[in-house]
Amino acid sequence: DTGVSQNPRHKITKRGQNVTFRCDPISEHNRLYWYRQTLGQGPEFLTYFQNEAQLEKSRLLSDRFSAERPKGSFSTLEIQRTEQGDSAMYLCASSWDAYEQYFGPGTRLTVT
Amino acid sequence: SQQGEEDPQALSIQEGENATMNCSYKTSINNLQWYRQNSGRGLVHLILIRSNEREKHSGRLRVTLDTSKKSSSLLITASRAADTASYFCATATGYNTDKLIFGTGTRLQVFP
Repeated sequence: DTGVSQNPRHKITKRGQNVTFRCDPISEHNRLYWYRQTLGQGPEFLTYFQNEAQLEKSRLLSDRFSAERPKGSFSTLEIQRTEQGDSAMYLCASSWDAYEQYFGPGTRLTVT
Repeated sequence: SQQGEEDPQALSIQEGENATMNCSYKTSINNLQWYRQNSGRGLVHLILIRSNEREKHSGRLRVTLDTSKKSSSLLITASRAADTASYFCATATGYNTDKLIFGTGTRLQVFP
């Protein structure tokens, strides 16, 4: 399967801990996106990269959040000092152009 | 914040019936996309309609777009139990951004 992959699929952490998620996009895609989805809502945009450049960040992405895409391949999303409000599904997507986005299965974060 | 509002929030129909979902959005767009999400396969792109198009078909899907009313509809004909999922519209403004802004979704249940 050459789709978008995300690891881990599930993460349970205690409040105050740091967590890091990884996204591996479809190999030929130059754009990579992070979204967050809470129960009963649609995904909300967090940030996106074109190659290794981070071109846009949402106001949802507080100082505790940081994303990287070294060498324009995989990406990591780190959340420092997690809070219960960070509990959500974190989705990664990639695309070749600015149109259709291919989504990964997501990482479900639970902060206790 | 969510760009789109979808209507209805939930829809239950019998197999073979048609399902219609509506999406309204707030700002000018470059294109509008529909995605399906179920627990088994995550978010899957269904169809994209550009701002200069009024109607588009793909298999059993028909999408319309009315930019004067800032609204779109998704029609699924001859529904199947496998169509049971949440359906989201997502808009792309295309002005120096690639991000998608999702609606709140319609939960479709198709009974066999």
